[in-house]
Amino acid sequence: GENVEQHPSTLSVQEGDSAVIKCTYSDSASNYFPWYKQELGKGPQLIIDIRSNVGEKKDQRIAVTLNKTAKHFSLHITETQPEDSAVYFCAASKEAGSTLGRLYFGRGTQLTVWP
Amino acid sequence: EADIYQTPRYLVIGTGKKITLECSQTMGHDKMYWYQQDPGMELHLIHYSYGVNSTEKGDLSSESTVSRIRTEHFPLTLESARPSHTSQYLCASSEFGSRGYTFGSGTRLTVV
Repeated sequence: GENVEQHPSTLSVQEGDSAVIKCTYSDSASNYFPWYKQELGKGPQLIIDIRSNVGEKKDQRIAVTLNKTAKHFSLHITETQPEDSAVYFCAASKEAGSTLGRLYFGRGTQLTVWP
Repeated sequence: EADIYQTPRYLVIGTGKKITLECSQTMGHDKMYWYQQDPGMELHLIHYSYGVNSTEKGDLSSESTVSRIRTEHFPLTLESARPSHTSQYLCASSEFGSRGYTFGSGTRLTVV
């Protein structure tokens, strides 16, 4: 099956700085890469996703980049704010085949933004 | 507001008790999942279902069982709870394969 590795496990930044979280995946057939944010006491929520036919996607202060050749993708948060503090998960999946619907998650990154 | 509901939010029970964690969704999603989240944050898939009367075990061995008699309902049962079952349990559903996973808020289970 797919193996997703995520780094770093913890990340502390000053408010206003940028934060970058990196993930690698093992299955070259994976073609869908979402990012989830989990706030304290809540379930993870989808914040952005990217498909393998796109190299970069932006949504206001967050962006995701994908390098299919190297099998890695990254989440970039600019102008961080204290409310960005949360656990972030990357994930990968194949949108076809027998594992349709299965998301393989990274181990999570605890992001802390200091005011 | 949530379209997927988990109850209870918190549960403390004694060893040996039988418990059922409830998960219901109002979105008509065919696919539903149960994850166990350890204190180190990692999400482990323990059960999933692709539709009514379809259930499969996930990646992490679990002594729990699930059922899917109705599309909207995917309960998880522990026949005899043990302290090793202490964890956060998250339920999720999706409509289009791996896109659009919606998670519930979780049940934090403590077995004493």
